[in-house]
Amino acid sequence: GQQVMQIPQYQHVQEGEDFTTYCNSSTTLSNIQWYKQRPGGHPVFLIQLVKSGEVKKQKRLTFQFGEAKKNSSLHITATQTTDVGTYFCARAPRGATNKLIFGTGTLLAVQP
Amino acid sequence: DTGVSQDPRHKITKRGQNVTFRCDPISEHNRLYWYRQTLGQGPEFLTYFQNEAQLEKSRLLSDRFSAERPKGSFSTLEIQRTEQGDSAMYLCASSPSDGQNTEAFFGQGTRLTVV
Repeated sequence: GQQVMQIPQYQHVQEGEDFTTYCNSSTTLSNIQWYKQRPGGHPVFLIQLVKSGEVKKQKRLTFQFGEAKKNSSLHITATQTTDVGTYFCARAPRGATNKLIFGTGTLLAVQP
Repeated sequence: DTGVSQDPRHKITKRGQNVTFRCDPISEHNRLYWYRQTLGQGPEFLTYFQNEAQLEKSRLLSDRFSAERPKGSFSTLEIQRTEQGDSAMYLCASSPSDGQNTEAFFGQGTRLTVV
């Protein structure tokens, strides 16, 4: 299936700075999910977006789904050291299995 | 702990040996998935079970790999005649059968090292 591309691959910020990762697809997505994986840990679900232009917030995290449903973004305001990890977007292709096709991920490093 | 559990957490094996991993999903989840993750990459889908039925297998799942979920509860993933390229983190995930909710709950994974 079509892989979802993420940029950047790596971002290093000072604590308190903002961070954004982008997820892009060449095809229309039925939905997009975001996961966080801490170093040495396992992916943990953050959010699912399904509607065109949808925006959802979780404290300092803001998730957007593009109008054309081909891209998504995750923005973190005022990063903290606890935000360190790899952020993956993932799409669930239409069908019965709901398997996930993960993006390439963005590794976030936060310097105190 | 009601999360997804995997055993063992780490496995080191010699090339050519067989290994088996176990996954216990969240009890009320009918859907169970196996993924493989290598360093610096996102998880890659391997196979999917709906209850005890294996409904999809990725092309990544060579004939040396076999997965079962005999009673629709726990699942096992066996790799026969391991190769160095099999070294990876093997992740199990489960999700509820609600069609609208595709959130996956991942276990902590089994890290396999083939030497």
